[in-house]
Amino acid sequence: AQSVTQPDIHITVSEGASLELRCNYSYGATPYLFWYVQSPGQGLQLLLKYFSGDTLVQGIKGFEAEFKRSQSSFNLRKPSVHWSDAAEYFCAVGEAAGNKLTFGGGTRVLVKP
Amino acid sequence: ETGVTQSPTHLIKTRGQQVTLRCSSQSGHNTVSWYQQALGQGPQFIFQYYREEENGRGNFPPRFSGLQFPNYSSELNVNALELDDSALYLCASSSVIGSRDTQYFGPGTRLTVL
Repeated sequence: AQSVTQPDIHITVSEGASLELRCNYSYGATPYLFWYVQSPGQGLQLLLKYFSGDTLVQGIKGFEAEFKRSQSSFNLRKPSVHWSDAAEYFCAVGEAAGNKLTFGGGTRVLVKP
Repeated sequence: ETGVTQSPTHLIKTRGQQVTLRCSSQSGHNTVSWYQQALGQGPQFIFQYYREEENGRGNFPPRFSGLQFPNYSSELNVNALELDDSALYLCASSSVIGSRDTQYFGPGTRLTVL
């Protein structure tokens, strides 16, 4: 069965500093990988996705993620964080021929001024 | 912001009651998935509907049921509500069956069971 682990429950970062959120997945074949962001009281917004090809994926809002098959990881990064990036971030994996996304537990990001 | 809408925004029910949540999918999308997000957790897949037929179900009991209509809008019904059903219920639509296509999420319905 597929699973996703986000080891960091909370991360606090200063505005302007870099951010990296960790995601490890378990899946037997090539996964479809996603990062979503959820602001308080909101639904989920897709930041980026990986299906195949270049392992470094660019997303919206200046985010990028790198797929590393050997480490079963799909970490999310941003070079310089803005106060508006404070939110909860979810990594998810989908089956190639399946129908569901399996989400990690999320990482809450707090941004200090 | 996506074109997926959900109603109502908030709902309070008592244990044992029944509830219906509604979702209007994004224009052109024929697939709808429902997720339950308990407080402090990631969303969990409930089921998916494709062209009015259920296309897969997560680890949820039969008292969770759904419908998809010809216009691809959808309902989630929960019978015999339990306290643990308190959660944010998210609807997501996509234009292609399966997980390859991006799922666009609505804002959710917050259900509180007392």
